[in-house]
Amino acid sequence: DSGVTQTPKHLITATGQRVTLRCSPRSGDLSVYWYQQSLDQGLQFLIQYYNGEERAKGNILERFSAQQFPDLHSELNLSSLELGDSALYFCASSAEGGGTGGYNEQFFGPGTRLTVL
Amino acid sequence: TQLLEQSPQFLSIQEGENLTVYCNSSSVFSSLQWYRQEPGEGPVLLVTVVTGGEVKKLKRLTFQFGDARKDSSLHITAAQPGDTGLYLCAGVETTDSWGKLQFGAGTQVVVTP
Repeated sequence: DSGVTQTPKHLITATGQRVTLRCSPRSGDLSVYWYQQSLDQGLQFLIQYYNGEERAKGNILERFSAQQFPDLHSELNLSSLELGDSALYFCASSAEGGGTGGYNEQFFGPGTRLTVL
Repeated sequence: TQLLEQSPQFLSIQEGENLTVYCNSSSVFSSLQWYRQEPGEGPVLLVTVVTGGEVKKLKRLTFQFGDARKDSSLHITAAQPGDTGLYLCAGVETTDSWGKLQFGAGTQVVVTP
C-alpha cells in the first residue's frame, strides 16, 4: 500500500459525458501528479500540482483539467469524453515539488479504470 | 520517440533463469528510478540510483547506473514467478529545472514455473 488513494476504482460512462477522478496523496506529500496509461501509449504524464499550484504540464488535452485543494487532495476532471479516453488514470505523490538535485520519487495510487462507451 | 528506451520490450523466461533489462538514453539524468507494475495496479518504486557507476541490490535484483548517468540496467538472478510484471525506468534530466520524471515504455517480464 503506497498510501495514495484514488476513487473510484472503476468508472463506466458514455461519450460526451463528464467525470471527476479523485486522489489523496500520502500524508505529508505536497506534490500530486496525474498520469494516463493506455495499451498503445504507455504511461503518459498529464499534469503536476505542488501545494495547490500547477507546477508542470504534460500531454493534457484541453478537455481535461485538474486542481489541488488546500487539504492537498486533487481532482482530475475529464469532459466531453471520447472513446479514446478509455484508459487507466493514475495519481502519484511525492514529497518534493521538483527542481534539480531532487530525486522526485513518486508513489502511485491504485488507479481509476475509465471506460467510455 | 521515448527519451528513455527500454529493451527488450518483452521477455519470457523459465523460473530459475537470469534476466537483464536495459534502459538507455542520450540524455544525462540526475537520478533514475525503477518501478514494477502488475496488471491493473499502480507502479511500485523499487529503487533510485543517483551516482554514476552506482550499483544497488534488492534481494535478487541488481540495479546499475551507467558511469555517464545516461543508462541503467536491472538484473534479476534466479527469477521467480512473483517477478512477473512490467518494469519501468524513469529519470529526471539534469537540464530539467522542474524535475519532471520521464518514463520509458517498459519491459514486460513473464516468469513461468
